[in-house]
Amino acid sequence: DVKVTQSSRYLVKRTGEKVFLECVQDMDHENMFWYRQDPGLGLRLIYFSYDVKMKEKGDIPEGYSVSREKKERFSLILESASTNQTSMYLCASSPLTGGYGYTFGSGTRLTVV
Amino acid sequence: EDKVVQSPLSLVVHEGDTVTLNCSYEVTNFRSLLWYKQEKKAPTFLFMLTSSGIEKKSGRLSSILDKKELFSILNITATQTGDSAIYLCAVTPSGTYKYIFGTGTRLKVLA
Repeated sequence: DVKVTQSSRYLVKRTGEKVFLECVQDMDHENMFWYRQDPGLGLRLIYFSYDVKMKEKGDIPEGYSVSREKKERFSLILESASTNQTSMYLCASSPLTGGYGYTFGSGTRLTVV
Repeated sequence: EDKVVQSPLSLVVHEGDTVTLNCSYEVTNFRSLLWYKQEKKAPTFLFMLTSSGIEKKSGRLSSILDKKELFSILNITATQTGDSAIYLCAVTPSGTYKYIFGTGTRLKVLA
């Protein structure tokens, strides 16, 4: 069964901490994405990557960075966590030509206190 | 600016009812529209609609795409409590494989 795995289901961090959210896919997909999901705002794209070591900003990249050193792994980094980054974070992947849209991970619910 | 608008934001029905969820969009050079169902975890794929596939059906769920009027509907007949979820609509323009999502419709089906 194909999978996108996010390392943590729930995470609680303190303001100012550096936070790493990990995402691994086993489908050999080229494209990987990080979204955050907030009530009333839907899913908003933070960053995406079409290839190893390649990244592009999405709609709300401020306060975030990403790393893609291997094809299967896409990491989201919160450089200095703030309370307004409390959210559900969803990782997704898709083949280079889009295929049937995304395969999503189960999400990480991050709370910054 | 590309955008996707879903309505209603939330809906409560009783088992056996039929529901219609709406998704309208404005996007440059439309390529495809997807519907997802999200329960407590990862959104799961329901349908993809494109210029060459404007109507899809799977069991009690069906969806149509109106490219002229720029909207799609997701229909669920004979609803069950297991249909309770957030339903997400997403659209992608040509030349990219990133999707633009609507806010979702939260459906609750009461026994």
